[in-house]
Amino acid sequence: EIVLTQSPGTLSLSPGERATLSCRASQSVSSNYLAWYQQKPGQAPRLLIYGASSRATGIPDRFSGSESGTDFTLTISRLEPEDFAVYYCQQFGGSPYTFGQGTKLEIK
Amino acid sequence: EVQVVESGGGLVQPGGSLRLSCAASGFTFSNYWIHWVRQVPGEGLVWVSRINSDGSSIDYADSVKGRFTISRDNAKNTLYLQMNCLRAEDTAMYYCARGGQYSNSPFDYWGQGTLLTVSS
Repeated sequence: EIVLTQSPGTLSLSPGERATLSCRASQSVSSNYLAWYQQKPGQAPRLLIYGASSRATGIPDRFSGSESGTDFTLTISRLEPEDFAVYYCQQFGGSPYTFGQGTKLEIK
Repeated sequence: EVQVVESGGGLVQPGGSLRLSCAASGFTFSNYWIHWVRQVPGEGLVWVSRINSDGSSIDYADSVKGRFTISRDNAKNTLYLQMNCLRAEDTAMYYCARGGQYSNSPFDYWGQGTLLTVSS
């Protein structure tokens, strides 16, 4: 099973700042099979990024993804008030389709 | 508009059974892999099970293998999760999520979830 470790657990920033969220895989994950999701309180997760760097439909371009080996990064270039939420990475290369434990992005 | 809507959650005693449903609309259901994902309130997402487009390929997380059964009725555009021998640790919000037309696709549409509580 591929274990995904996200850091930091909590990130406190202000609107307008840049957010950098990390996800490290315990073994090789093809960048094609890495996704990021956003979840707000009381809501279902929403797909943001797939294939490590492709934005899902309707996702603003302030969200971007990148990879370096087994390390994956979600960057939000300029935080908007609606971006404060929990973010999960996921590998979907095959069963079990594991998720990271999440990073909570909170308003400073 | 793509929609998946879960139902069937509720309060069940340990050792009991329950069947969840996920009704799909707005897309050709029979073309897509579908997943169940659960989330204990306040905790992270955990993948539970998946089924391919025609129901011929199924897989489960180890934690539910032998107790849960995923199935689908493509004529009714509905996914099911039969849950037996329920335990307190199965308490969670259960989400239905659409995969793609292949096994290795992201989960692009999610329902709002249905809450299962296992307690005496």
